[in-house]
Amino acid sequence: DTGVSQNPRHKITKRGQNVTFRCDPISEHNRLYWYRQTLGQGPEFLTYFQNEAQLEKSRLLSDRFSAERPKGSFSTLEIQRTEQGDSAMYLCASSSTGGHQPQHFGDGTRLSIL
Amino acid sequence: AQKITQTQPGMFVQEKEAVTLDCTYDTSDPSYGLFWYKQPSSGEMIFLIYQGSYDQQNATEGRYSLNFQKARKSANLVISASQLGDSAMYFCAMRPPSGGSNYKLTFGKGTLLTVNP
Repeated sequence: DTGVSQNPRHKITKRGQNVTFRCDPISEHNRLYWYRQTLGQGPEFLTYFQNEAQLEKSRLLSDRFSAERPKGSFSTLEIQRTEQGDSAMYLCASSSTGGHQPQHFGDGTRLSIL
Repeated sequence: AQKITQTQPGMFVQEKEAVTLDCTYDTSDPSYGLFWYKQPSSGEMIFLIYQGSYDQQNATEGRYSLNFQKARKSANLVISASQLGDSAMYFCAMRPPSGGSNYKLTFGKGTLLTVNP
């Protein structure tokens, strides 16, 4: 049983550059979530996909952020013109149908902006 | 809006003893779900236990149990027979009520548990 996979594990980039992260969910899961976690805080919801449809975006997701899930499989999260405040751990989670089903998280991508 | 409060920034416990990590929540919805996750220093979030608001019995999973007191809006995690590998951050989280499809989680700030040998 393969878990949620995220790449890369770490990304260091200069302010103003664009970055893209990838998430491969558990294959039978139709729901996919992106969260952001800053130091000393719990994860905060960014966006949610059911299959290929992006159904909700948090107000935390500014215009510089975009997420896709083509064909309802893997997902990408892109940040354009990165800023210092974007430095965080970006977590992806997937789950199957049902409110009692837990979300299974990947190891995250840690983004550092120089 | 849903809110999760974890009032213990850090907890210490001796190996083989039990420890309780506190979680209180605030919601006006009658239907909700509560989760506990463990996050070791390596960063991955590991699901531990789930409690539904309508569940009659407290959830248990191995050494983990949930002390669910609905009237007090608390869902404390009890870890029995602590092990050194239990040292980690622990997060309490809540999902919205059933009926929609977005079960986004709202997390607390976490409690850092340290197990001493």
